Amino acid sequence: ETGVTQTPRHLVMGMTNKKSLKCEQHLGHNAMYWYKQSAKKPLELMFVYSLEERVENNSVPSRFSPECPNSSHLFLHLHTLQPEDSALYLCASSQGAGVTEAFFGQGTRLTVV
Amino acid sequence: GDSVTQMEGPVTLSEEAFLTINCTYTATGYPSLFWYVQYPGEGLQLLLKATKADDKGSNKGFEATYRKETTSFHLEKGSVQVSDSAVYFCALSSGGYQKVTFGIGTKLQVIP
Repeated sequence: ETGVTQTPRHLVMGMTNKKSLKCEQHLGHNAMYWYKQSAKKPLELMFVYSLEERVENNSVPSRFSPECPNSSHLFLHLHTLQPEDSALYLCASSQGAGVTEAFFGQGTRLTVV
Repeated sequence: GDSVTQMEGPVTLSEEAFLTINCTYTATGYPSLFWYVQYPGEGLQLLLKATKADDKGSNKGFEATYRKETTSFHLEKGSVQVSDSAVYFCALSSGGYQKVTFGIGTKLQVIP
């Protein structure tokens, strides 16, 4: 496989459930990101990992917990979510310091019921 | 902080019409500028980019010129096709952690 792969593509979960989103990149990049895409709103950067260390946490509620075990994998652990957390969650990766383009996965469509 | 402003749309055009989607930005320093495209059910794909003032990015018939004096990066295409129907995001990148700031996205619908 090549590029950035996200699983699952769709997820429906109850507010008391615990689930995880997975992202895998095969591009040899050293930075990975989680974004939230909601209707009528700009993409919201949630977390940034550079060389497996979290370097950015944009005031995301603690019910979202990221994990980056190595430079190729990124997880987003979810627990006790709210209906307003329903959105498309996009993973991205990029390479190098400075200003570079990001490569995105196809996203996980999350619905909280 | 950095920000990107673009029209939300939707923009509806007939096939072969001329397309302009406006994008303006505010940023410290000298950011790189991007246009990303998102087709239905897909993630974002880089369409074109420009890294310094007066650079022109181009791809698949789309063009955008980095205008520092007007802080703009408008997307243009001379003749749109039905297959260009998608959401287009203007974005900028600055700073040391590869952060990208996106606009709200403009939905384009091209009708035959």
